[in-house]
Amino acid sequence: EPEVTQTPSHQVTQMGQEVILRCVPISNHLYFYWYRQILGQKVEFLVSFYNNEISEKSEIFDDQFSVERPDGSNFTLKIRSTKLEDSAMYFCASSEELAEHYEQYFGPGTRLTVT
Amino acid sequence: AQSVSQHNHHVILSEAASLELGCNYSYGGTVNLFWYVQYPGQHLQLLLKYFSGDPLVKGIKGFEAEFIKSKFSFNLRKPSVQWSDTAEYFCAVSSGGSYIPTFGRGTSLIVHP
Repeated sequence: EPEVTQTPSHQVTQMGQEVILRCVPISNHLYFYWYRQILGQKVEFLVSFYNNEISEKSEIFDDQFSVERPDGSNFTLKIRSTKLEDSAMYFCASSEELAEHYEQYFGPGTRLTVT
Repeated sequence: AQSVSQHNHHVILSEAASLELGCNYSYGGTVNLFWYVQYPGQHLQLLLKYFSGDPLVKGIKGFEAEFIKSKFSFNLRKPSVQWSDTAEYFCAVSSGGSYIPTFGRGTSLIVHP
């Protein structure tokens, strides 16, 4: 069964450094998402992406965040200057269509630790 | 803004016990309801979903959930849990035509053999 994959599984970085989290969505999916979960808290939506553009973003997704689909398979989340509070589990997801009834398939997550 | 509450943060059961995990949401309009499961070290997987129709929804691995509109609830149930059901369970709700689900905090279920 096709899966969403994410690399790395765990990233440790120092405050102020840039990090890039990588995702490979399911190959025939057109819509991509990033979510995060701070330890002990809810899974929160960050951004959705379609046709090389951001479709929707939350208030969490400020100027230090960016997303990109650099080639036909990868979907990346960049954090320009990490802060301690960016430490969280980051989940990528993809779906065939951008519609409320279409299931989003999640990757295993990248645990980001900012020290 | 809508919110989703999962009242049980940690549940510990023995095998063969019955399970019910609570989920309540705060949105008065049409909602889409989901339960996701995350097994240790794995990704979030959809257990079941409700969009319309029969409010009793059957999902994978013997799980079911009942949508009670008057109570704004979508509780997850399983009559007899197994050790392999040990996981984190997340309730999620989307509404108003949005595809973006709002997640609850999750419930950690540990099943002792």
